Formats: sequence, structure tokens, C-alpha cells
Amino acid sequence: DTGVSQNPRHKITKRGQNVTFRCDPISEHNRLYWYRQTLGQGPEFLTYFQNEAQLEKSRLLSDRFSAERPKGSFSTLEIQRTEQGDSAMYLCASSSPVGGDEHEQYFGPGTRLTVT
Amino acid sequence: DAKTTQPTSMDCAEGRAANLPCNHSTISGNEYVYWYRQIHSQGPQYIIHGLKNNETNEMASLIITEDRKSSTLILPHATLRDTAVYYCIVRRTGNQFYFGTGTSLTVIP
Repeated sequence: DTGVSQNPRHKITKRGQNVTFRCDPISEHNRLYWYRQTLGQGPEFLTYFQNEAQLEKSRLLSDRFSAERPKGSFSTLEIQRTEQGDSAMYLCASSSPVGGDEHEQYFGPGTRLTVT
Repeated sequence: DAKTTQPTSMDCAEGRAANLPCNHSTISGNEYVYWYRQIHSQGPQYIIHGLKNNETNEMASLIITEDRKSSTLILPHATLRDTAVYYCIVRRTGNQFYFGTGTSLTVIP
């Protein structure tokens, strides 16, 4: 098992462009999360999937953001019309409940987005 | 979920025990205490969690006070690789993790 992977690791884009990030969770994990982290802050929850269903979205996830997990495996996070305030590290995590409880989320290395 | 309060930063000498405190005075009965850490430029890493009892694993020990209003993460023999930001989180299982700003631990040679 290679853990959670994210691509690309770094992305530089100009304001107004669209970007898409990919997350590949640990293969048997049915839960997948997206977080955003800005400098000096802890990760902030964005959205959560259980299999292919998007079950929760944070108020941080504006209408320019969309996430999908079409087959319940990998997920994509798209940001349309990027703004400088979107510059951040975007983290993906996955987990699998054991006995109905989920205690540990496994995080990927993140995608660092810089909007110029 | 209950909020937590942690010191902004701490230092610890290499080889000594690092004791990281966390206050969670509004914790409710069904909320767990979790600790994660984040080494620079990496994603957060799970360390340990507990509900009422003290817990120990290969990485650390978690001491939870009897009233559950505070806890301490103990790294028994800190190494330079333990330099990281440590997050204390209280959460009901199934809910999202809300990370605060954590404690930046620096292990000094």
C-alpha cells in the first residue's frame, strides 16, 4: 500500500484560470476528505465523500469549487476562476471505519497552489 | 465539536520527554481526544486518540484528566524528527476533524 497520493504536488496558475487536483486514496478506504491549509493555520475541512456520495460540504467551499468522486475511488477537486486567495495547500485524506467508528485519517502530501 | 486550547510553541531537549498540554473544557461525553502532528511540508499524521482512559502506543502516550477537561501528549524520548506542529482535536466519531493552530514543537539538539 503506497498511501494517499495527490497530483500535482505543485501548481502555479494565473488568476482567472481553472485548476484541477487529483487524489488517490488508500485502495480499500471508502471515505475521502478534502482540506485546505493556509500558511500558519491548521487544515480546514472542505468536503467529504463516502464512496461516490458527497455527504458534507463546508461553507468554505464556494460555488467556484467542485469535487467529485465518480466511481468511489479517486477524487478530483476543481477550482474555477481562481483568485489569489485560493493560494493554499490542498490536502486529501482517506479513512475506513472499523466497527462503525473512524478514528484515523490518512493524509496525502498535498497540492500546493499558487495563484499569481 | 468542542474547541481546544494549546500553547503556540514549545521547546524540548533531544532525548527528554516532551509534554504537550491541551485544554478542552467544553468536551462532551461522546467526544474523543485526538492528536495529530504535521511535519513541515507534509500532510498531518495520526498519533493517538482516547476517550476516557490513558492510552499508549509506539509513538506516544495520552494522559486524559479524570474530568476530561484537559489532556497531555507525551513523547517519551524526543528526537529531532519529532519537530513538528502538534494538533489536539476533540471530535465525535464520524464528524469532521477541526484542526486549530496547534503547538509548534522544536526539539533542540
